[in-house]
Amino acid sequence: SYELTQPPSVSVSPGQTARITCSGDALPNQFAYWYQQKPGQAPVVVIYADTERPSGIPERFAGSSSGTTVTLTISGVQAEDEADYYCQSADSSAAYRVFGGGTKLTVL
Amino acid sequence: QVQLVQSGAEMKKPGASVKVSCKASGYTFINHYMHWVRQAPGQGLEWMGIINPNDGSTHYAQKFQGRVTMTRDTSTRTVYMELISLTSEDTAVYYCARDSRDTTMVRGPSWFGPWGQGTLVTVSS
Repeated sequence: SYELTQPPSVSVSPGQTARITCSGDALPNQFAYWYQQKPGQAPVVVIYADTERPSGIPERFAGSSSGTTVTLTISGVQAEDEADYYCQSADSSAAYRVFGGGTKLTVL
Repeated sequence: QVQLVQSGAEMKKPGASVKVSCKASGYTFINHYMHWVRQAPGQGLEWMGIINPNDGSTHYAQKFQGRVTMTRDTSTRTVYMELISLTSEDTAVYYCARDSRDTTMVRGPSWFGPWGQGTLVTVSS
């Protein structure tokens, strides 16, 4: 089955830049999406279609794509950004959706 | 505003089945697919499948095929997810999540949102 691979954890100090990667063979052909999930809450999309930011999401959140890897970049990280982040995409047939394993972002 | 309200927590014994509901409001129900996603305690998100509320067609993740059934009732704007032959490994929070894309519009990117509040299903003897 198709898999997306994320690092389990990323740690940054407030004000620094956090980068979370997600790798998958079908990413050159399928859009990627990023979700933020805080404890006890449902996930919320922060990036859609690789690079687009939904209304209401701070400008410090950005997405990029290069080959089989997509990256979520959070510039000027704030304490409130501490959360789990999941990438999501589809397999090459677009029939099956899949999530990455998730990355815990810790703000030191 | 768009809202998804799920049924309450369930406690089941191994071998039993569970049926979770998700009532939608604030948009044209039949124009958006609905997904089901689960999350075991301390674990990541796992996509289970998708239902088209317009015609009831479904597509399930391979892992759940034969054990999951998704249905809908257009009169009450509700989708359902039934999982049978439960084991302790099915203990999780189950979410419904609306597909962002309006099926009457030109094809484009689609993501999960909004989500229901989640339903905790606990399987224990």
